[in-house]
Amino acid sequence: GEQVEQRPPHLSVREGDSAVITCTYTDPNSYYFFWYKQEPGASLQLLMKVFSSTEINEGQGFTVLLNKKDKRLSLNLTAAHPGDSAAYFCAVSAYNNNAPRFGAGTKLSVKP
Amino acid sequence: GALVYQYPRRTICKSGTSMRMECQAVGFQATSVAWYRQSPQKTFELIALSTVNSAIKYEQNFTQEKFPISHPNLSFSSMTVLNAYLEDRGLYLCGARGQGASDYTFGSGTRLLVI
Repeated sequence: GEQVEQRPPHLSVREGDSAVITCTYTDPNSYYFFWYKQEPGASLQLLMKVFSSTEINEGQGFTVLLNKKDKRLSLNLTAAHPGDSAAYFCAVSAYNNNAPRFGAGTKLSVKP
Repeated sequence: GALVYQYPRRTICKSGTSMRMECQAVGFQATSVAWYRQSPQKTFELIALSTVNSAIKYEQNFTQEKFPISHPNLSFSSMTVLNAYLEDRGLYLCGARGQGASDYTFGSGTRLLVI
């Protein structure tokens, strides 16, 4: 089945710096890709949903890149601020809409 | 919009007892419901996927005998943690998806503490 690896497990940056989190996946049928944010004690907040047909997606303060050839998905937070401190999870699902598989998560800390 | 409610939000049960949690979809028809567990400091492990008119599919390491799931209609699902022990503690999340939708809408989770 699908294997999703996420790196790094922990990331600490200064306010204003960028932060990059990367996931790799194994299933060539993967079609939908998601990034979620989880604040302490809370559930999941969807940051962005990416389809297999798009490679660069920009959100508010972040960019998601999809490299289908390398089976790699990345989240790049530009100019991180302390409010971005949280756990981030990637998730991947196949075209037939199986339930998404999550990466192990990255705990991001943004210091003032 | 599409919303998913889970309850209870938090619960405590004694070791060896059982706990039932519920998941309600509002604003759409939940054709598929996925249940996950996030153990402390870990990621979200898929427990099972329930699709209306299909058998519930459990992942390796999770069984119907331990985590029986009910999905009786297009707006509701429940899962029970039978004979809960310390290793069953964590955040249980349900995600629901409508026919033709590309992603799952997640609830806020049920946090289970076993004492």
